[in-house]
Amino acid sequence: SSELTQDPAVSVALGQTVRITCQGDSLRSYYASWYQQKPGQAPVLVIYGKNNRPSGIPDRFSGSSSGNTASLTITGAQAEDEADYYCNSRDSSGNHPFGTGTKVTVL
Amino acid sequence: QLQLQESGPGLVKPSETLSLTCTVSGGSISSSSYYWGWIRQPPGKGLEWIGSIYYSGSTYYNPSLKSRVTISVDTSKNQFSLKLSSVTAADTAVYYCAGVHGSGYYYMDVWGKGTTVTVSS
Repeated sequence: SSELTQDPAVSVALGQTVRITCQGDSLRSYYASWYQQKPGQAPVLVIYGKNNRPSGIPDRFSGSSSGNTASLTITGAQAEDEADYYCNSRDSSGNHPFGTGTKVTVL
Repeated sequence: QLQLQESGPGLVKPSETLSLTCTVSGGSISSSSYYWGWIRQPPGKGLEWIGSIYYSGSTYYNPSLKSRVTISVDTSKNQFSLKLSSVTAADTAVYYCAGVHGSGYYYMDVWGKGTTVTVSS
Protein backbone atom coordinates (compact mmCIF):
# COMPACT_ATOMS: atom_id res chain seq x y z
CA SER A 1 0.00 0.00 0.00
CA SER A 2 1.18 3.53 -0.74
CA GLU A 3 -0.86 5.15 2.04
CA LEU A 4 0.87 7.40 4.55
CA THR A 5 -0.76 7.76 7.95
CA GLN A 6 -0.32 10.67 10.36
CA ASP A 7 -1.90 11.60 13.67
CA PRO A 8 -4.64 14.16 12.96
CA ALA A 9 -3.55 16.69 15.58
CA VAL A 10 -0.91 17.39 18.20
CA SER A 11 -0.32 20.28 20.57
CA VAL A 12 2.87 21.62 22.05
CA ALA A 13 3.64 24.28 24.63
CA LEU A 14 5.60 27.25 23.40
CA GLY A 15 9.32 26.44 23.46
CA GLN A 16 8.81 22.72 23.95
CA THR A 17 9.47 19.83 21.57
CA VAL A 18 6.95 18.02 19.40
CA ARG A 19 7.38 15.02 17.14
CA ILE A 20 5.07 14.23 14.22
CA THR A 21 5.10 10.75 12.75
CA CYS A 22 4.24 9.31 9.36
CA GLN A 23 3.79 5.60 8.72
CA GLY A 24 3.70 3.75 5.45
CA ASP A 25 5.25 0.88 3.53
CA SER A 26 6.90 3.18 0.97
CA LEU A 27 9.04 4.64 3.76
CA ARG A 28 11.01 1.39 3.89
CA SER A 29 12.35 2.25 0.42
CA TYR A 30 12.19 6.04 0.11
CA TYR A 31 12.83 8.93 2.46
CA ALA A 32 9.92 11.14 3.40
CA SER A 33 9.74 14.83 2.71
CA TRP A 34 7.80 17.14 5.01
CA TYR A 35 5.69 20.19 4.17
CA GLN A 36 4.33 22.98 6.35
CA GLN A 37 1.09 24.60 5.25
CA LYS A 38 -0.46 27.66 6.82
CA PRO A 39 -4.06 28.72 6.08
CA GLY A 40 -4.52 30.10 2.59
CA GLN A 41 -0.92 29.39 1.58
CA ALA A 42 0.84 26.86 -0.59
CA PRO A 43 2.80 24.13 1.21
CA VAL A 44 6.44 24.81 2.02
CA LEU A 45 9.14 22.13 2.10
CA VAL A 46 10.76 21.93 5.55
CA ILE A 47 12.66 18.61 5.53
CA TYR A 48 13.81 16.21 2.82
CA GLY A 49 16.05 13.20 2.53
CA LYS A 50 17.77 11.75 5.56
CA ASN A 51 17.58 15.07 7.48
CA ASN A 52 18.04 18.03 5.16
CA ARG A 53 16.59 21.51 5.52
CA PRO A 54 16.09 23.85 2.57
CA SER A 55 17.64 27.27 2.82
CA GLY A 56 15.65 29.50 5.16
CA ILE A 57 14.14 26.72 7.28
CA PRO A 58 15.10 27.10 10.95
CA ASP A 59 17.30 24.43 12.48
CA ARG A 60 14.64 23.66 15.08
CA PHE A 61 13.12 21.45 12.35
CA SER A 62 14.69 18.01 11.99
CA GLY A 63 13.78 14.68 10.45
CA SER A 64 14.47 11.02 11.09
CA SER A 65 13.38 7.65 9.82
CA SER A 66 13.24 4.05 10.99
CA GLY A 67 11.62 1.16 9.20
CA ASN A 68 8.21 2.22 7.97
CA THR A 69 8.06 5.38 10.10
CA ALA A 70 9.34 8.87 9.39
CA SER A 71 9.34 11.63 11.98
CA LEU A 72 9.48 15.41 11.95
CA THR A 73 10.63 17.03 15.17
CA ILE A 74 10.27 20.67 16.11
CA THR A 75 12.63 21.47 18.97
CA GLY A 76 11.65 24.65 20.77
CA ALA A 77 8.36 25.25 18.97
CA GLN A 78 7.48 28.84 18.14
CA ALA A 79 4.08 30.41 17.64
CA GLU A 80 4.78 30.67 13.90
CA ASP A 81 5.17 26.89 13.70
CA GLU A 82 1.42 26.45 14.19
CA ALA A 83 0.31 24.92 10.90
CA ASP A 84 -0.66 21.72 9.12
CA TYR A 85 2.18 19.36 8.35
CA TYR A 86 2.17 16.73 5.60
CA CYS A 87 4.61 13.97 4.83
CA ASN A 88 5.18 12.71 1.30
CA SER A 89 7.08 9.86 -0.23
CA ARG A 90 7.63 8.36 -3.61
CA ASP A 91 6.09 4.91 -3.93
CA SER A 92 6.98 1.87 -6.02
CA SER A 93 4.65 2.95 -8.86
CA GLY A 94 6.34 6.33 -9.25
CA ASN A 95 3.61 8.32 -7.56
CA HIS A 96 4.01 10.62 -4.58
CA PRO A 97 1.08 10.21 -2.18
CA PHE A 98 0.76 12.60 0.73
CA GLY A 99 0.18 11.73 4.35
CA THR A 100 -3.15 12.43 5.96
CA GLY A 101 -1.79 15.56 7.63
CA THR A 102 -1.19 16.69 11.21
CA LYS A 103 -2.46 19.94 12.67
CA VAL A 104 0.08 21.36 15.11
CA THR A 105 -1.20 23.75 17.75
CA VAL A 106 1.28 25.79 19.76
CA LEU A 107 -0.12 26.58 23.21
CA GLN B 1 15.12 30.97 -9.04
CA LEU B 2 12.59 28.52 -10.37
CA GLN B 3 8.98 29.75 -10.21
CA LEU B 4 5.70 28.13 -11.14
CA GLN B 5 2.36 29.74 -11.99
CA GLU B 6 -0.96 27.99 -12.49
CA SER B 7 -3.56 29.35 -14.88
CA GLY B 8 -6.96 28.29 -16.11
CA PRO B 9 -10.71 28.71 -15.59
CA GLY B 10 -11.89 29.11 -12.01
CA LEU B 11 -15.32 27.67 -12.75
CA VAL B 12 -16.10 24.43 -14.56
CA LYS B 13 -19.50 22.86 -15.15
CA PRO B 14 -20.24 19.33 -13.95
CA SER B 15 -19.41 16.60 -16.50
CA GLU B 16 -17.04 18.92 -18.36
CA THR B 17 -13.23 18.83 -18.49
CA LEU B 18 -11.07 20.87 -16.14
CA SER B 19 -7.97 22.25 -17.88
CA LEU B 20 -5.07 23.95 -16.13
CA THR B 21 -1.61 25.02 -17.23
CA CYS B 22 1.53 25.54 -15.17
CA THR B 23 4.17 27.90 -16.55
CA VAL B 24 7.75 27.35 -15.44
CA SER B 25 10.01 30.39 -15.23
CA GLY B 26 13.56 30.92 -14.04
CA GLY B 27 14.64 27.55 -15.42
CA SER B 28 14.01 24.92 -18.04
CA ILE B 29 11.20 22.41 -17.90
CA SER B 30 13.67 20.03 -19.55
CA SER B 31 15.90 20.02 -16.49
CA SER B 32 17.29 16.61 -15.66
CA SER B 33 16.91 17.33 -11.94
CA TYR B 34 13.17 17.91 -11.94
CA TYR B 35 9.93 16.45 -13.02
CA TRP B 36 6.58 18.15 -12.70
CA GLY B 37 3.52 17.38 -10.64
CA TRP B 38 -0.04 18.38 -9.92
CA ILE B 39 -1.54 18.34 -6.43
CA ARG B 40 -4.97 19.40 -5.25
CA GLN B 41 -6.61 20.26 -1.95
CA PRO B 42 -10.41 20.22 -1.52
CA PRO B 43 -11.79 22.82 0.89
CA GLY B 44 -10.93 21.89 4.47
CA LYS B 45 -9.15 18.69 3.45
CA GLY B 46 -5.64 17.40 2.94
CA LEU B 47 -3.30 17.39 -0.02
CA GLU B 48 -3.94 14.87 -2.79
CA TRP B 49 -1.34 13.86 -5.35
CA ILE B 50 -2.78 13.88 -8.87
CA GLY B 51 0.17 12.87 -11.02
CA SER B 52 3.43 13.88 -12.62
CA ILE B 53 5.26 14.13 -15.93
CA TYR B 54 8.88 14.09 -17.04
CA TYR B 55 10.00 16.45 -19.80
CA SER B 56 10.29 13.36 -21.99
CA GLY B 57 6.54 12.85 -21.62
CA SER B 58 6.53 9.89 -19.23
CA THR B 59 3.61 10.15 -16.83
CA TYR B 60 2.53 8.74 -13.48
CA TYR B 61 -1.04 9.09 -12.24
CA ASN B 62 -2.81 8.59 -8.92
CA PRO B 63 -4.66 5.28 -9.43
CA SER B 64 -7.85 6.78 -8.01
CA LEU B 65 -7.89 9.47 -10.72
CA LYS B 66 -6.09 7.69 -13.55
CA SER B 67 -9.16 7.09 -15.70
CA ARG B 68 -9.92 10.83 -15.84
CA VAL B 69 -6.49 12.49 -15.79
CA THR B 70 -4.14 13.51 -18.56
CA ILE B 71 -0.92 15.44 -17.90
CA SER B 72 1.07 16.77 -20.83
CA VAL B 73 4.16 18.89 -21.38
CA ASP B 74 5.03 21.57 -23.91
CA THR B 75 8.78 22.12 -23.75
CA SER B 76 8.63 24.90 -26.36
CA LYS B 77 6.47 26.97 -24.01
CA ASN B 78 8.08 25.75 -20.77
CA GLN B 79 4.64 24.61 -19.62
CA PHE B 80 2.89 21.50 -18.46
CA SER B 81 -0.84 20.94 -18.28
CA LEU B 82 -3.55 19.03 -16.46
CA LYS B 83 -6.82 17.81 -17.87
CA LEU B 84 -9.41 16.19 -15.62
CA SER B 85 -12.51 14.89 -17.36
CA SER B 86 -16.07 14.31 -16.22
CA VAL B 87 -15.72 16.57 -13.21
CA THR B 88 -18.14 16.64 -10.29
CA ALA B 89 -18.46 18.83 -7.22
CA ALA B 90 -15.92 16.53 -5.52
CA ASP B 91 -13.27 17.93 -7.86
CA THR B 92 -13.69 21.42 -6.41
CA ALA B 93 -10.30 22.24 -4.92
CA VAL B 94 -7.23 24.42 -4.94
CA TYR B 95 -4.94 22.98 -7.60
CA TYR B 96 -1.19 23.33 -7.21
CA CYS B 97 1.62 22.59 -9.61
CA ALA B 98 5.01 21.68 -8.19
CA GLY B 99 8.51 20.82 -9.26
CA VAL B 100 9.62 17.42 -8.00
CA HIS B 101 13.33 17.16 -7.40
CA GLY B 102 14.11 13.65 -8.55
CA SER B 103 17.86 13.37 -8.42
CA GLY B 104 18.87 11.41 -5.33
CA TYR B 105 16.15 12.35 -2.88
CA TYR B 106 12.59 13.04 -3.98
CA TYR B 107 10.93 16.23 -2.80
CA MET B 108 8.88 19.21 -3.99
CA ASP B 109 10.83 22.37 -3.31
CA VAL B 110 9.03 24.69 -5.69
CA TRP B 111 5.28 25.22 -5.76
CA GLY B 112 2.87 27.47 -7.55
CA LYS B 113 0.60 29.64 -5.44
CA GLY B 114 -2.38 27.50 -6.35
CA THR B 115 -5.53 28.20 -8.26
CA THR B 116 -9.06 27.60 -7.03
CA VAL B 117 -11.34 25.59 -9.29
CA THR B 118 -15.03 25.32 -8.49
CA VAL B 119 -17.24 22.76 -10.19
CA SER B 120 -20.75 24.12 -10.38
CA SER B 121 -23.49 24.68 -12.91
